[in-house]
Amino acid sequence: GAVVSQHPSRVICKSGTSVKIECRSLDFQATTMFWYRQFPKQSLMLMATSNEGSKATYEQGVEKDKFLINHASLTLSTLTVTSAHPEDSSFYICSASMGSGLRTDTQYFGPGTRLTVL
Amino acid sequence: KQEVTQIPAALSVPEGENLVLNCSFTDSAIYNLQWFRQDPGKGLTSLLLIQSSQREQTSGRLNASLDKSSGRSTLYIAASQPGDSATYLCAVKNSGYSTLTFGKGTMLLVSP
Repeated sequence: GAVVSQHPSRVICKSGTSVKIECRSLDFQATTMFWYRQFPKQSLMLMATSNEGSKATYEQGVEKDKFLINHASLTLSTLTVTSAHPEDSSFYICSASMGSGLRTDTQYFGPGTRLTVL
Repeated sequence: KQEVTQIPAALSVPEGENLVLNCSFTDSAIYNLQWFRQDPGKGLTSLLLIQSSQREQTSGRLNASLDKSSGRSTLYIAASQPGDSATYLCAVKNSGYSTLTFGKGTMLLVSP
């Protein structure tokens, strides 16, 4: 149980285009979803936290207008990288939790999406 | 601000060795600590989760310990196998926060 999927697994796009990444909880309702990015040999850096039906909370330094997050249902959150540039190339990982706030005890991670912007 | 450090950054051992991975954190007011495994180009697999009130957790050949007061955790892998080759990440959840802070990981290579 507690499976999280991401789609696509990898995407290559041209500079200036927008890319949407989906994160789905397959067998549970995810009250909270998290979006991370990971550069090679670096740690996972939290980008934003989203709760179903409300606006995402972005970490300091993350542009909310560039990284649009929508958590429209309890099983789906999307991350849209708008006007992508080569420096946005990274590995994006989502996680989902059944709780919210301080009750997000366990995060279940998706398999990640490799974004390459040419 | 919580900072998590993992040592060593990379480790190469022959099959069968017992090994220890280290994780340290600067703020001891943690809610829990978690060890993950990440294979190249893949997501994270949770290995062990230790609550702040616990000293250790065990799963098969893996044993994780937690010393909250000194800000340290170790992951012990017994009788290592080539299939253990992966990056191991340590993450802490601070009390009062819902988010995780990750270390950079230890890249482990177990050779046959």
